[in-house]
Amino acid sequence: KNEVEQSPQNLTAQEGEFITINCSYSVGISALHWLQQHPGGGIVSLFMLSSGKKKHGRLIATINIQEKHSSLHITASHPRDSAVYICAGVIKAAGNKLTFGGGTRVLVKP
Amino acid sequence: NAGVMQNPRHLVRRRGQEARLRCSPMKGHSHVYWYRQLPEEGLKFMVYLQKENIIDESGMPKERFSAEFPKEGPSILRIQQVVRGDSAAYFCASSPSLDAFVSEAFFGQGTRLTVV
Repeated sequence: KNEVEQSPQNLTAQEGEFITINCSYSVGISALHWLQQHPGGGIVSLFMLSSGKKKHGRLIATINIQEKHSSLHITASHPRDSAVYICAGVIKAAGNKLTFGGGTRVLVKP
Repeated sequence: NAGVMQNPRHLVRRRGQEARLRCSPMKGHSHVYWYRQLPEEGLKFMVYLQKENIIDESGMPKERFSAEFPKEGPSILRIQQVVRGDSAAYFCASSPSLDAFVSEAFFGQGTRLTVV
């Protein structure tokens, strides 16, 4: 079992829909990152969370430390949101090494 | 600040050749991490380096792969005698301190290696 698990693996939405991506982790973490990767593109950090909730534009990320779970929400989704979204835990026991979920491929149709 | 710079962006090598991937960290960052993303797979840690030191290479294949981060110049990931299975996207990230990623994460654009 991977230390960081994401669901769903793939998600298709119509423009305007609300999207939720989930991330669960089984080990102690110092922080959790949500990353975005466009096809053939680099990796961009969207959020770093150690507790609570953060919002940036139409993106909202939450983390529940007790339940070892984080979610990334996209409100009023747009075709330009189509990308792979990756959660990554900063694993305390591994010297704050990043461990990645498998990614969620999001396609937003116009 | 130019960010984390990787080059080349795309690299094509024939089987048996050597591949050299370069990563220049952000200004002021002395810690570099390399990750590999195989087709249709997630990112996997390869190696963590500080200037002139390999700190953790637990994710590096035992043969044909090596990494360095000299006092001057970029970090280099070197793959000798490449095989088709080495085809992947290779990303590097940099950090100013040991507490990497506890604040922000800075990644390069990646090098996409294709072995033909």
